[in-house]
Amino acid sequence: QVQLVESGGDLVKPGGSLRLSCAASGFTFRDYYMSWVRQAPGKGLEWLSYISSASHYTNYADSVKGRFTISRDNAWNTLYLQMNSLTAEDTAVYYCVREYYGSGDHWGQGALVTVSS
Amino acid sequence: QSALTQPPSVSGSPGQSVTISCTGVSSDIAYYNRISWYQQPPGTAPKLIIREVTTRPSGVPDRFTGSKSGNTASLTISGLQAEDEADYYCSMYTTINTWVFGGGTKLTVL
Repeated sequence: QVQLVESGGDLVKPGGSLRLSCAASGFTFRDYYMSWVRQAPGKGLEWLSYISSASHYTNYADSVKGRFTISRDNAWNTLYLQMNSLTAEDTAVYYCVREYYGSGDHWGQGALVTVSS
Repeated sequence: QSALTQPPSVSGSPGQSVTISCTGVSSDIAYYNRISWYQQPPGTAPKLIIREVTTRPSGVPDRFTGSKSGNTASLTISGLQAEDEADYYCSMYTTINTWVFGGGTKLTVL
């Protein structure tokens, strides 16, 4: 069955960096677009970024453009999110999501990122 | 990108039906058919329950129905059950491969 397992969430100081990983299994990873979506405590869902199946195309939400970088390694079935210049507003649960016909048909369990001094 | 507007909360008794609306700002929903709905019980990850306005993924009960009229998409849950209590989010997939989410609706089963 499809599994997406995020890792790398941690407590980080403002201005710091963190890299999230998402290990995919149970499907042909290289065939799918992938996205990152986050959810701040008690808040709604916020789309952050997507990457095409062969990494040719990416896009970012304005809130993270220039600070976050999405990438993938199809040989290792892994999605990444490099996050720099973190602020308290980036505190959230970060979800790795598989795209299918314009929807997120599978979500990971989430990785908690806390930005605090 | 425009935001999608959902009511903050809805409620219903077991066995009843409830409808959650999702309204676009500038006729965007009217033109896009990649409208999805997600269910998120407390403390869990979102789960896709409707894609492309009306399509239910495998395993989703037919009590969940999606529709669209003009610039408003709707999710109707019939035969409410206690396990349906959750937050529900609509989303729209845009032409530049981004997602716009609604603010979410908390469903309470009385």
